[in-house]
Amino acid sequence: DAKTTQPPSMDCAEGRAANLPCNHSTISGNEYVYWYRQIHSQGPQYIIHGLKNNETNEMASLIITEDRKSSTLILPHATLRDTAVYYCIYQRGGGADGLTFGKGTHLIIQP
Amino acid sequence: EPEVTQTPSHQVTQMGQEVILRCVPISNHLYFYWYRQILGQKVEFLVSFYNNEISEKSEIFDDQFSVERPDGSNFTLKIRSTKLEDSAMYFCARKQTGGYEQFFGPGTRLTVL
Repeated sequence: DAKTTQPPSMDCAEGRAANLPCNHSTISGNEYVYWYRQIHSQGPQYIIHGLKNNETNEMASLIITEDRKSSTLILPHATLRDTAVYYCIYQRGGGADGLTFGKGTHLIIQP
Repeated sequence: EPEVTQTPSHQVTQMGQEVILRCVPISNHLYFYWYRQILGQKVEFLVSFYNNEISEKSEIFDDQFSVERPDGSNFTLKIRSTKLEDSAMYFCARKQTGGYEQFFGPGTRLTVL
């Protein structure tokens, strides 16, 4: 079973920042936090990952707490196309390990 | 983002038949994965493949499943004798050498009648 905890659903107004929380209290020191999303029935899409520092890319920002037991994915200006299920996953980086998906958070962007 | 291609997009088969799902490789990708998603359920890991052999497999990946990359060409998932419960979306994923993120294909929808 997935080892992360996420709220099952969230709403956010279009144009606002969407903040998606995740708890991963059993994460080990060499495991990275990854975020993926799945729009409708498409293949999951990588968003961002981090180890302990906050990270930002063209899609999102990732804020990881100092104790690394939780993180927040931030979509700075949500659009209707960001409506999707968002998955928080942790695993070792760089290897051949498969991803363990949970149920994720269904983010609904409201017009 | 590297494009990941899967064929066919939709496969309909009779129970007990063999099916082969294909994933088109990119030369600098060494890691390959298969996942499945039964309708309305979560994405489940099946198997990872590295350096032309299975690296990790889940409990779902039993003897009816096999993977191969014949002659460095397409990466395939074979289901020997399909069951009704094999109906699902099957996603191929790939990862670059030294990379962290997995890139997923659009999936093959398998319907077993």
